[in-house]
Amino acid sequence: QKEVEQDPGPLSVPEGAIVSLNCTYSNSAFQYFMWYRQYSRKGPELLMYTYSSGNKEDGRFTAQVDKSSKYISLFIRDSQPSDSATYLCAMGYSGAGSYQLTFGKGTKLSVIP
Amino acid sequence: EAGVVQSPRYKIIEKKQPVAFWCNPISGHNTLYWYRQNLGQGPELLIRYENEEAVDDSQLPKDRFSAERLKGVDSTLKIQPAELGDSAVYLCASRGQTDNEQFFGPGTRLTVL
Repeated sequence: QKEVEQDPGPLSVPEGAIVSLNCTYSNSAFQYFMWYRQYSRKGPELLMYTYSSGNKEDGRFTAQVDKSSKYISLFIRDSQPSDSATYLCAMGYSGAGSYQLTFGKGTKLSVIP
Repeated sequence: EAGVVQSPRYKIIEKKQPVAFWCNPISGHNTLYWYRQNLGQGPELLIRYENEEAVDDSQLPKDRFSAERLKGVDSTLKIQPAELGDSAVYLCASRGQTDNEQFFGPGTRLTVL
């Protein structure tokens, strides 16, 4: 079992829809939870970062973490064609002077006008 | 503020040839990472630098990969000799205020024939 599992999709939604992207993880040591967005032929771009269970909102984006279930989600409200990209979840932990960041495979999202 | 710069953007070589990738991080960022991203996968860390010191190279295949960051700014990642399985996107990132805030360059897409 991989440490981080993410459904690769692809996911196709109409413009204006609410999008839900999810990841599960198995390593209880993960302390930090991130979502990156990656456009085609570009590097990943940090969207949101949180370290506690609960919700964090930023504009149309909401990140949700449930540590008891080892489950994280990203919700996109009023999705736009410009949101079409691959979304990568990432989880990190630090300890003994090192830092480990593990990415999911990414979910490819298409928002259709 | 300029982002992370990488060159070349694309490279096609034949197997057993050497290849090198260059990265210039965001000004003032002392921590630099090299990642490899295979098709349909998330990035995987190859090496992490704190200034000119490689502090985590446990995932770097040392028989054929090498990296350097001589003056603690620019970095070069080299593969010699390249194998077919090395075809991937090689991403460079530098750290913001924390390890959870990593800024990625556009990557170098390597194709080994």
